[in-house]
Amino acid sequence: DTAVSQTPKYLVTQMGNDKSIKCEQNLGHDTMYWYKQDSKKFLKIMFSYNNKELIINETVPNRFSPKSPDKAHLNLHINSLELGDSAVYFCASSQGLAGTYEQYFGPGTRLTVT
Amino acid sequence: KNQVEQSPQSLIILEGKNCTLQCNYTVSPFSNLRWYKQDTGRGPVSLTIMTFSENTKSNGRYTATLDADTKQSSLHITASQLSDSASYICVVRRNDYKLSFGAGTTVTVRA
Repeated sequence: DTAVSQTPKYLVTQMGNDKSIKCEQNLGHDTMYWYKQDSKKFLKIMFSYNNKELIINETVPNRFSPKSPDKAHLNLHINSLELGDSAVYFCASSQGLAGTYEQYFGPGTRLTVT
Repeated sequence: KNQVEQSPQSLIILEGKNCTLQCNYTVSPFSNLRWYKQDTGRGPVSLTIMTFSENTKSNGRYTATLDADTKQSSLHITASQLSDSASYICVVRRNDYKLSFGAGTTVTVRA
């Protein structure tokens, strides 16, 4: 059984389009995250939700809007896509916000903006 | 300047040999430090988590050390295997939940 799943795995789209990436976890965790990994493999946290509430919102353009309909889902909607948005986006979850909880990552969504 | 610096950027070792990866950080206030392994095309997988009071923690052939005074950590891989080829990422967490990521060390194990 997949613990953290993301769809789609690959997404190719043109500049200016709006797209969404979905994430679901079946671990019963309270906290979910979105990360961006650029071409240099640098991971950066974008958002963190705990019990459907936004906890961490790093310096991310407001074209990116996370939505958490319930604790098991955290979707990422991106408006007006730009070339610089091309990256791999990872969803993750953890039992809670406490520092020692393990984070479990999804397989990633490779977004290519042309 | 990144608050988490990893070295080397990449290394190549022969199967069966040992290697050590370094992580220096300036993040404060410190909560914990994690090492992740990321295989190509996959999401990161946690190897170890260490808090301020822990000096060493092992996970199979992986052993992490932490010196909170000098703000240094290392990840030692013993008797490397081909499956150890991956990127290893050091992540430091602050008390306010914020995470700082290193750029990773790419390890290539050759037969």
